[in-house]
Amino acid sequence: QVQLQESGPGLVKPSDTLSLTCAVSGYSISSDAWWGWIRQPPGKGLEWIAYIYYSGSTYYNPSLKSRVTMSVDTSKKQISLKLSSVTAVDTALYYCARSITSGGWPHAFDFWGQGTMVTVSS
Amino acid sequence: QSALTQPRSVSGSPGQSVTISCSGTSSDVGTYNFVSWYQQHPGKAPKLMIYDVIKRPSGVPDRFSGSKSGNTASLTISGLQAADEADYFCSSYAGSFTWVFGGGTKLTVL
Repeated sequence: QVQLQESGPGLVKPSDTLSLTCAVSGYSISSDAWWGWIRQPPGKGLEWIAYIYYSGSTYYNPSLKSRVTMSVDTSKKQISLKLSSVTAVDTALYYCARSITSGGWPHAFDFWGQGTMVTVSS
Repeated sequence: QSALTQPRSVSGSPGQSVTISCSGTSSDVGTYNFVSWYQQHPGKAPKLMIYDVIKRPSGVPDRFSGSKSGNTASLTISGLQAADEADYFCSSYAGSFTWVFGGGTKLTVL
């Protein structure tokens, strides 16, 4: 069973860089799969942030692309997200998830972590 | 890309069927068969219910079905149960290596 566990700072100051990690177990992070980050502001809907392939290829949400970096560390069995120049609108529950992958293409997120809440405030 | 449009709320009685719509454009739902649906109970992570418009992951009851017509995708839940009360989100590939979610629909079981 694939398990994902996000971790993060909880509170980040405006203009700082948010760094999140997602520990993966029950599935080889080096195997053919896409991984993603999704966020959900309190009481609101979901927003796709980024995808990364096990090989390192990435896709980013155009609205966040200039501030986002996603990476995979196979030795640590974790994926990471960095979001720079954060503001209050970046306050959200951040989820990491694995995608159903077929033909080298991400189809949908079938396994999700429980999420880590990030609040941007001074 | 813009968020997909979903009704804010739908409701139904136990045993009935309900359909939740997800309206997109010819740039996303209308062109690609990469529409998925997620169920989210309060305080829980989303759960995948339907992907590739019509496919059900293992373990998802066949009471849940997906379809698409033109630029609108739909999730139908038949034999409604109290446990189905949750928020539902659709998602679609939107071209140019981007993905978009709908705003979410709150399903109330009366």
